This record gives sequence, C-alpha cells and structure tokens, in this order.
Amino acid sequence: AQKITQTQPGMFVQEKEAVTLDCTYDTSDPSYGLFWYKQPSSGEMIFLIYQGSYDQQNATEGRYSLNFQKARKSANLVISASQLGDSAMYFCAMREGGTGNQFYFGTGTSLTVIP
Amino acid sequence: DVKVTQSSRYLVKRTGEKVFLECVQDMDHENMFWYRQDPGLGLRLIYFSYDVKMKEKGDIPEGYSVSREKKERFSLILESASTNQTSMYLCASSLLAISYEQYFGPGTRLTVT
Repeated sequence: AQKITQTQPGMFVQEKEAVTLDCTYDTSDPSYGLFWYKQPSSGEMIFLIYQGSYDQQNATEGRYSLNFQKARKSANLVISASQLGDSAMYFCAMREGGTGNQFYFGTGTSLTVIP
Repeated sequence: DVKVTQSSRYLVKRTGEKVFLECVQDMDHENMFWYRQDPGLGLRLIYFSYDVKMKEKGDIPEGYSVSREKKERFSLILESASTNQTSMYLCASSLLAISYEQYFGPGTRLTVT
C-alpha cells in the first residue's frame, strides 16, 4: 500500500485565490511527521511546512497552512492568496518513528497559477 | 545555513560505465538519503544511511550501491550504468528526529547513452 497518496496530478488556480492540495497517508505508527515541499522548475526542493502527529493545532507558515485531519489520515496543504511564483510541483511526505527515520513521498501535484 | 552539495549538475555516461555521484553536507546530520526522481513517479528512495558505514535499502536499490565512510559524505555508485538509470538524482540530509525536515542538494541529471 502507498504510504503517501496525492491524487491530483495537476491543479490550476487563479492568482490571488486560495488552493488546496490533497494528501492522504497510511501508517500504524502513532508517532509521525508530515511535510510539504515545493519544487519550482529550477529543480531545488524547498521545505514549506511541518505537522507532527501529536500536534493539536494545524500548522501555519505565512500563506501556507496544513489542514490536518488525523482520523481521516489527511494532511492537505492550503495556499492562500496564490502568486505566480507558487507555480511548481508540490510533494507531501511522511516520516515515521523508529530507526532510520525514512521519509515517504507522494507522486506530487503540479500547480499552475493563472494570472 | 545548511548546505547539501552534489558533485555534478549534469552528467552523461555510456552504458556499462561505473558512475559515482557524490553528496556532501555541512551540518553534521546523521541521516543521508539518495533518491531518483522521474516524471509521474515522484521521489523514490534508493538508499539511506543513519550513521557512518551504515546503510539501508530503500524502495529501488537494484543496480545501485552506496558508501558512507565519513559522516558528511554519501556516495551513490552505479556499478554498470544502464539506459533505464537515466534520471534526476537527489541527495538529502536530515537530523535523526521525526520533526526535522530534509535538506536537499541541487540534483544531478544523469543521462546514460
């Protein structure tokens, strides 16, 4: 079974609008972390936001927020007030407890912001 | 600032050649990782290491080996390159803690002809 599932290969959003990128995860470990990364066309991976499994509140970082629904095992990224520079690939990732702390990545969502 | 560097941005090799991809991090991170990235498949883990001389297989280790002789350096080796190993290779490092994110290098685009 896939550890991380991103079901939206491509998304479009109008500039200044909000957009939600979906991510569901699968783990039986009670301790885990969820991450979102951005990869612009230049190729570098940029860390955006982190949510811990025991965190009571949804994480926020500037225009990014993580809609964490533990019972549904979903960790959707919300980008508010989209900008042209937000056009990129977005990856959801999970890190479980235990030795090694391996990361699991989804297949990504390509976001295009339309002027 | 954490820095992860990779030895080459672009590399072209011939089928059957032995290929070395080097990754160096400067933040004393225990964990280091090698991924390959292909369109539509996301990032797939090849190998990772959580200590010097320690290595763990990821999802797609076949055709690859790794070496970690020093904490800051993690090398990916293609013993006999094949055309299906043409890909973008990303190195990353991280501390050994669930809440700590990975820092990525700029990537190496490898073409095997």
